Amino acid sequence: GAVVSQHPSRVICKSGTSVKIECRSLDFQATTMFWYRQFPKQSLMLMATSNEGSKATYEQGVEKDKFLINHASLTLSTLTVTSAHPEDSSFYICSASKGPSPPYEQYFGPGTRLTVT
Amino acid sequence: KQEVTQIPAALSVPEGENLVLNCSFTDSAIYNLQWFRQDPGKGLTSLLLIQSSQREQTSGRLNASLDKSSGRSTLYIAASQPGDSATYLCAVQGGSEKLVFGKGTKLTVNP
Repeated sequence: GAVVSQHPSRVICKSGTSVKIECRSLDFQATTMFWYRQFPKQSLMLMATSNEGSKATYEQGVEKDKFLINHASLTLSTLTVTSAHPEDSSFYICSASKGPSPPYEQYFGPGTRLTVT
Repeated sequence: KQEVTQIPAALSVPEGENLVLNCSFTDSAIYNLQWFRQDPGKGLTSLLLIQSSQREQTSGRLNASLDKSSGRSTLYIAASQPGDSATYLCAVQGGSEKLVFGKGTKLTVNP
């Protein structure tokens, strides 16, 4: 199997606070993990790519100081939304790739619904 | 820059009907193409993955085809059921491992 979990599944926080979301590969080692954001009725947009032990690579327009990503081990990556604002409310989904060789299939977590009040 | 388009954006069919969902992409230099299912408020379920060297993949009532040169893929669902109601997403992957998603087709199968 290739199971990816996320925690929490749902979080509500106040504006200005920080929120941490965890992404774990439960039964495999993930050389690469990806973080996506999905706004209502929109598609998934890649935010950043993280490799274990190295700095994340952020997509254009994504603030690296606001969305802190840590990939401390081959089974865990965390996304911290710092000083969250209502416009950060979204559905955040992570995925993990077994890599480093093809086919590079990504296995997705169940997502985290963030609501900033 | 890769762009993925899915048509139609929404589709409503009666139970039992066969249907086709379409996906097109602008850059044919892809490594693979994947179809996903997403239920409301949930994550993604991978349905089928087609490598760039393949023409189609089948799983149960689902069949996905890929024409890389023309930048097109179709997902065929046979004998649709109400449980098939969901949003279907198409995504292409280039050599960088990044997935580029379409906006999806929201399918409703009416009993």
